[in-house]
Amino acid sequence: DAGVTQSPTHLIKTRGQQVTLRCSPKSGHDTVSWYQQALGQGPQFIFQYYEEEERQRGNFPDRFSGHQFPNYSSELNVNALLLGDSALYLCASSLGLHIAGQPQHFGDGTRLSIL
Amino acid sequence: ILNVEQSPQSLHVQEGDSTNFTCSFPSSNFYALHWYRWETAKSPEALFVMTLNGDEKKKGRISATLNTKEGYSYLYIKGSQPEDSATYLCASRQGDSGGGADGLTFGKGTHLIIQP
Repeated sequence: DAGVTQSPTHLIKTRGQQVTLRCSPKSGHDTVSWYQQALGQGPQFIFQYYEEEERQRGNFPDRFSGHQFPNYSSELNVNALLLGDSALYLCASSLGLHIAGQPQHFGDGTRLSIL
Repeated sequence: ILNVEQSPQSLHVQEGDSTNFTCSFPSSNFYALHWYRWETAKSPEALFVMTLNGDEKKKGRISATLNTKEGYSYLYIKGSQPEDSATYLCASRQGDSGGGADGLTFGKGTHLIIQP
């Protein structure tokens, strides 16, 4: 039973470029959330996708966008990269959008470095 | 902006000793409280999700309690072992105006080191 998988593992980009990160949820899960973890901080919520729509969004600019596909996999896109976007990006999946007792299952993350 | 605070930031504990740490979160519009364990070079692993005031959960030597009225949760580890060394994250989820809930708001974590 495959868990949450993310690709790529590491990525190096330069300022101004655009990047796409990918996530496949745990088998049977239909909800995908994305988090950014900067050094020394806890993960910060970017947005959540369910039924191919963005359902909740954290305090991130429009440069951060996403998509969910019919097979529940998801992409995170970041445009016009800034040095401050350097971070670990975590994807998490869960079952159901508003089931309070459901834990989230995390992938290993994508380490994005901006030069 | 919601604040989830964890204390202490780091903790060194002798093998065999018991320990506990704290998570404080906004008590208004409470929806759920999550605890995760994050070992180096691995992904965060869910320990507990608690939704009701007074909830107590246990998993082996690890247990957690929840007080939603005052906005705090404790995580306890009994008889610490070297494999318990990890960062322990708590995350709060608040209800939104539409009957659903926001995404998780994480604290910065408690970094636990068990010394043999």
